[in-house]
Amino acid sequence: IVLTQSPGTLSLSPGERATLSCRASQSVAGNYVAWYQQRPGQAPRRLIYGALHTSTAIPDRFSGGGSGQDFTLTISRLEPEDSALYYCQQYGSSPWTFGQGTKVEVK
Amino acid sequence: QVQLQESGPGLVKPSGTLSLTCAVSGGSISTSNWWGWVRQTPGKGLEWIGEIYHSGSTHYNPSLKSRITIWADKSKNNFSLNLTSVTAADTAVYFCTSGSSSSPLYWGQGALVTVSS
Repeated sequence: IVLTQSPGTLSLSPGERATLSCRASQSVAGNYVAWYQQRPGQAPRRLIYGALHTSTAIPDRFSGGGSGQDFTLTISRLEPEDSALYYCQQYGSSPWTFGQGTKVEVK
Repeated sequence: QVQLQESGPGLVKPSGTLSLTCAVSGGSISTSNWWGWVRQTPGKGLEWIGEIYHSGSTHYNPSLKSRITIWADKSKNNFSLNLTSVTAADTAVYFCTSGSSSSPLYWGQGALVTVSS
């Protein structure tokens, strides 16, 4: 399954809302989609799993949604520390695959 | 909480074998988790390599299946990756990962492996 993320880059101000999109080339079984945040020089950090479940210790500003082929990650009330790359992953059909990423700039 | 640390040579010659080990702390590799590997390159982004379940069953990316082996050493509480017949295209940062599903919750810091003569 090929995952296409949009937009490529999102430049927003603190306090604004970011909506990131992840479109799958076919329906993702079980809506098994995860979202990760990766800051420069760090490993990815899982934010969302199962399309809408927030991982432990992740601020409630992060939320996931969608089903089938279309999934979203929403970051409400952006903070400067949210500047990072964001990736979606599907783990419903092997091989598990990742999107190419969306860069979020908060300034 | 589970912590993961990759180790292994940072430089491998073309046609050689890339070998990495992931040391697990804060948890047991014998628990009901998946233990796996993901690599990252500037060109191809994040690529899932494969994973091993606590029972020993493995699951590999078909694009790499003929070249990879993942195994676990319960006595040392670690798991390892071998990738044979490497080329420059295998140059990447390799992450070991873990989680109760195939969306890894825990990640190592990553190990850069360069394939070059």
